[in-house]
Amino acid sequence: SQQGEEDPQALSIQEGENATMNCSYKTSINNLQWYRQNSGRGLVHLILIRSNEREKHSGRLRVTLDTSKKSSSLLITASRAADTASYFCATEGGAGYSTLTFGKGTMLLVSP
Amino acid sequence: NAGVTQTPKFQVLKTGQSMTLQCAQDMNHEYMSWYRQDPGMGLRLIHYSVGAGITDQGEVPNGYNVSRSTTEDFPLRLLSAAPSQTSVYFCASSSQGGFNYGYTFGSGTRLTVV
Repeated sequence: SQQGEEDPQALSIQEGENATMNCSYKTSINNLQWYRQNSGRGLVHLILIRSNEREKHSGRLRVTLDTSKKSSSLLITASRAADTASYFCATEGGAGYSTLTFGKGTMLLVSP
Repeated sequence: NAGVTQTPKFQVLKTGQSMTLQCAQDMNHEYMSWYRQDPGMGLRLIHYSVGAGITDQGEVPNGYNVSRSTTEDFPLRLLSAAPSQTSVYFCASSSQGGFNYGYTFGSGTRLTVV
């Protein structure tokens, strides 16, 4: 079953605007990761936040994690047309083995 | 570095045929996984391996078989293809469970079963 659920399912914005995507999950985690997938391509790792971290930055990306609410958000600032892609959150669980459980993704469209 | 290499990129099978999807990584990663991606379903884990000689089932293992004889290779075998196995298949690898590094994905194999 899916662990993470992204919200919204689709997001359409203009270049220069910020894009915020949310992810909720169900069970305890070791870390939460965000991936980007361009159409017809494989997934690319963007950022990882550990369960004991609350916020992390990487370039124009900002990720927050609230383990009490079992939720995370990904903020992309000053969006560009090249950011158009699907974004997935994935959790790495606390069961002692290393697998990722993915949500269904948010489709982001950035218009010039 | 080539990263994670998947072959073939596209494949059409007839119902009942068998085939092997190849996955190779050159990063000396311990962990390797196979996922399938279906529209509206996100990615679902088929099988995974935490090292050579060790494999385990994921969420949707039925109809698939894996082995891990070397650190580099993790082939996925479809035993008797069914239309329900039409999907895009991704192989991924990571070091130390992806801690601090995340997973590296291959570019995928698009499989159609007719």
